[in-house]
Amino acid sequence: GAVVSQHPSRVICKSGTSVKIECRSLDFQATTMFWYRQFPKKSLMLMATSNEGSKATYEQGVEKDKFLINHASLTLSTLTVTSAHPEDSSFYICSANTGTGIGYTFGSGTRLTVV
Amino acid sequence: AQSVTQLDSHVSVSEGTPVLLRCNYSSSYSPSLFWYVQHPNKGLQLLLKYTSAATLVKGINGFEAEFKKSETSFHLTKPSAHMSDAAEYFCVVSDPRATDSWGKLQFGAGTQVVVTP
Repeated sequence: GAVVSQHPSRVICKSGTSVKIECRSLDFQATTMFWYRQFPKKSLMLMATSNEGSKATYEQGVEKDKFLINHASLTLSTLTVTSAHPEDSSFYICSANTGTGIGYTFGSGTRLTVV
Repeated sequence: AQSVTQLDSHVSVSEGTPVLLRCNYSSSYSPSLFWYVQHPNKGLQLLLKYTSAATLVKGINGFEAEFKKSETSFHLTKPSAHMSDAAEYFCVVSDPRATDSWGKLQFGAGTQVVVTP
């Protein structure tokens, strides 16, 4: 139980295009989801907190207009990387608190490569 | 404020020998502490967590960790390493009373574990 499904697992896009990453809670409702970015051989950096039905809360230094977050339902949050550039290439991971003793569960991640 | 420091960026062990991954934390309150494992290009898998219950926490795959408040440590151990344990390990702290009701996760820098035959 308490699975978070993240898609796509891997995406290659051209510079200037936009890419949408989806994160779904499969068997629980997630009022809050978290989006992280991970650089090669580095730790996870929290980008934003996604709140169902309201605006996301972004961490300092994260561009709101570049990384659009939508959390329209209790089971789906999306991250859209707009006008992607090569420096946006990274591994993006979502997470949700299951509200149970399991605590936080993570998606399998999305490897974004911008060419 | 909360933070977590993993004292070793890289640990190499022989198969069958013990593994020790060190983690120190700081938190304004009584934190929740987690250890996650990440295999290459994969998401994170929870190994174990501490949430103010027993100080010795047993997790999956033979891992365990001990919460020591006096030392502000939460070191991860395993008696006998297996080749499949080769991965990146993250120590994570969360304060349920920080910022929002669930608390933000603060990740350590990670420890790369290499297991040699």
